Amino acid sequence: NAGVTQTPKFRILKIGQSMTLQCTQDMNHNYMYWYRQDPGMGLKLIYYSVGAGITDKGEVPNGYNVSRSTTEDFPLRLELAAPSQTSVYFCASSSPAGPSSGANVLTFGAGSRLTVL
Amino acid sequence: KQEVTQIPAALSVPEGENLVLNCSFTDSAIYNLQWFRQDPGKGLTSLLLIQSSQREQTSGRLNASLDKSSGRSTLYIAASQPGDSATYLCAVRGSSNTGKLIFGQGTTLQVKP
Repeated sequence: NAGVTQTPKFRILKIGQSMTLQCTQDMNHNYMYWYRQDPGMGLKLIYYSVGAGITDKGEVPNGYNVSRSTTEDFPLRLELAAPSQTSVYFCASSSPAGPSSGANVLTFGAGSRLTVL
Repeated sequence: KQEVTQIPAALSVPEGENLVLNCSFTDSAIYNLQWFRQDPGKGLTSLLLIQSSQREQTSGRLNASLDKSSGRSTLYIAASQPGDSATYLCAVRGSSNTGKLIFGQGTTLQVKP
């Protein structure tokens, strides 16, 4: 009963380095999301996907890229890390059921804490 | 552009007290509203989801209400316990159900024994 799994849990990067945050879900959810959470703030949507092969920008997409080649996986790529990308990153998924269904509930991963120095 | 605000940012109450957390949003054309709990250093756990056609949802000691016309939701916690200490976030989904959830900043609750 894994739900949403994110790796790595922690990572320190140097300015200009690249990395990929991995996210996988085993609930056969169509929708997947990447959020970032800065200290004392709510979550900001980076990118989301409504199904394999379909992605779209959220509120704060600059500096990030995503792909969705399978239903299960939604990796987030940082190409040139900057200190402003120091944050906690959360991946989430949901099923786009009808308005009377509880399956519209978002399920979150445990988060990936990224520090860029 | 939808904006979600939660007041207060922090709240401290003695154990056993009933309390209300507030969430307001600027665009009333929402698909649903969800309340989450976040423990320090952890991910988010969904507490309650209210569809746009509903007025409230209940789960145990938690009751969430929704007033779309005034752009407000409240989360009522009855008989608070120290284990309720956490950050509570509300989030609204836009009217098209495209999956975009907009979050408030959260209210950090401390329940003192």
